[in-house]
Amino acid sequence: GEKVEQHESTLSVREGDSAVINCTYTDTASSYFPWYKQEAGKGLHFVIDIRSNVDRKQSQRLIVLLDKKAKRFSLHITATQPEDSAIYFCAATGSGTYQRFGTGTKLQVVP
Amino acid sequence: GALVYQYPRRTICKSGTSMRMECQAVGFQATSVAWYRQSPQKTFELIALSTVNSAIKYEQNFTQEKFPISHPNLSFSSMTVLNAYLEDRGLYLCGAGDRGYAEQFFGPGTRLTVL
Repeated sequence: GEKVEQHESTLSVREGDSAVINCTYTDTASSYFPWYKQEAGKGLHFVIDIRSNVDRKQSQRLIVLLDKKAKRFSLHITATQPEDSAIYFCAATGSGTYQRFGTGTKLQVVP
Repeated sequence: GALVYQYPRRTICKSGTSMRMECQAVGFQATSVAWYRQSPQKTFELIALSTVNSAIKYEQNFTQEKFPISHPNLSFSSMTVLNAYLEDRGLYLCGAGDRGYAEQFFGPGTRLTVL
C-alpha cells in the first residue's frame, strides 16, 4: 500500500522567510495530495491540495509543487507569520478512497 | 457545504472499559469512512476503511474485535474502542469521502483519555 514520508520533523524559520516541507510517496497510482495544519490540542485543518494533473498550485502565501517522476511533493509557505506555527501533515490518496499521512513537521516561526 | 461532525469531542474512560464514538456526514453522501488514530506525539494511523455495502477493511495492528465499526447508511458511522487501555489514548479522527472523489472531509476528532 501507499507509504508517505515527511522529511523534516521540525523546521524553524524567521518571520518573513519562506518555509519548505518535503514529502515523498510510493504508490504511483496516487493522484491527490492534501496538506493539513494541526495546532496544539486541536484537530486537522485543511490548508491546500494538489492533484496529479498539475505540477504547481498556489493559494495566497501557499505553494504546492508536485514531481510525479520523483514521487515527491512539497509545501512552500512564503512570507511566514507567527500564526503559521503548527504541525503540518502531508497526505496522499493511493488507489483506495482514504489518505495516508506523513509523520508531521513542526514548524516554528520565530519573530 | 460538506461537513463532518464527531461526538463526543472529548471523553475519559477507565482502563478496561469501552467507549463508542460517532461520525456524521452532512451535505454529502459518505460512501466511505476511514477511521484514524493519532497517538500522543505521532501521526495519523489508519485503523480501518468502511465502505457502505462492503466489508470493513482493517489495517495491520487493528482488529474488528478491538475496534468494531458500524456504517449503516450514507451519513453515519460509529466505532467502539473495546477494553480500552493506556495505549488507546489519543485523537480519533473520522474521514468521510464520496465515491469517485479523492477528497476526504475530516471531523474535529474525538479525544480519548484512558485512566
